[in-house]
Amino acid sequence: AQTVTQSQPEMSVQEAETVTLSCTYDTSESDYYLFWYKQPPSRQMILVIRQEAYKQQNATENRFSVNFQKAAKSFSLKISDSQLGDAAMYFCAYRSDSAPNDYKLSFGAGTTVTVRA
Amino acid sequence: DAGVTQSPTHLIKTRGQHVTLRCSPISGHKSVSWYQQVLGQGPQFIFQYYEKEERGRGNFPDRFSARQFPNYSSELNVNALLLGDSALYLCASSYAGGRSYEQYFGPGTRLTVT
Repeated sequence: AQTVTQSQPEMSVQEAETVTLSCTYDTSESDYYLFWYKQPPSRQMILVIRQEAYKQQNATENRFSVNFQKAAKSFSLKISDSQLGDAAMYFCAYRSDSAPNDYKLSFGAGTTVTVRA
Repeated sequence: DAGVTQSPTHLIKTRGQHVTLRCSPISGHKSVSWYQQVLGQGPQFIFQYYEKEERGRGNFPDRFSARQFPNYSSELNVNALLLGDSALYLCASSYAGGRSYEQYFGPGTRLTVT
């Protein structure tokens, strides 16, 4: 079974500055997807960014970018120019690209991000 | 377009009771997944249904069951509730059942068991 580890329970960042959230995962598979989800207090889980393991280029979505290190099984999220609206719980998630395990997301425990004005 | 909807938003049950949670997927999506999120933890996969068939099941007891209807909406049923079943139950829909199809989450149902 794949395990996803987020070692930072909480992170705090000053508005307009940069914060990096770490995630490591354990898998024996070579093809998979990695995700970062954001869950604000409203509880709605929102996809932030996605990375296919076969792609060497790191994914970027506006102020959000990842550092994907496949050999190290590391997948960190960088939030640049932090905004108050970025305050939320962030979850790292893994999904296999191979049946029969390609139907479920495996989540880490989450990192709470607070943004200081 | 409406997103994933779940009902009810909150509910309180007593130990030993039964509960039914409901989920309507995004229009055109044929797959629904259920996750349990205990306070302070990440979501844990319970079930996935695709075209009304169970496609996957997580490590949950048989007290948990689900089904998907012809209109692709879904119900999650939990029998003989325990205090430990208190959690946020998330439903996610996707166009199909696997691989590259993104899962879009609903707002969840907060279940409290007393």
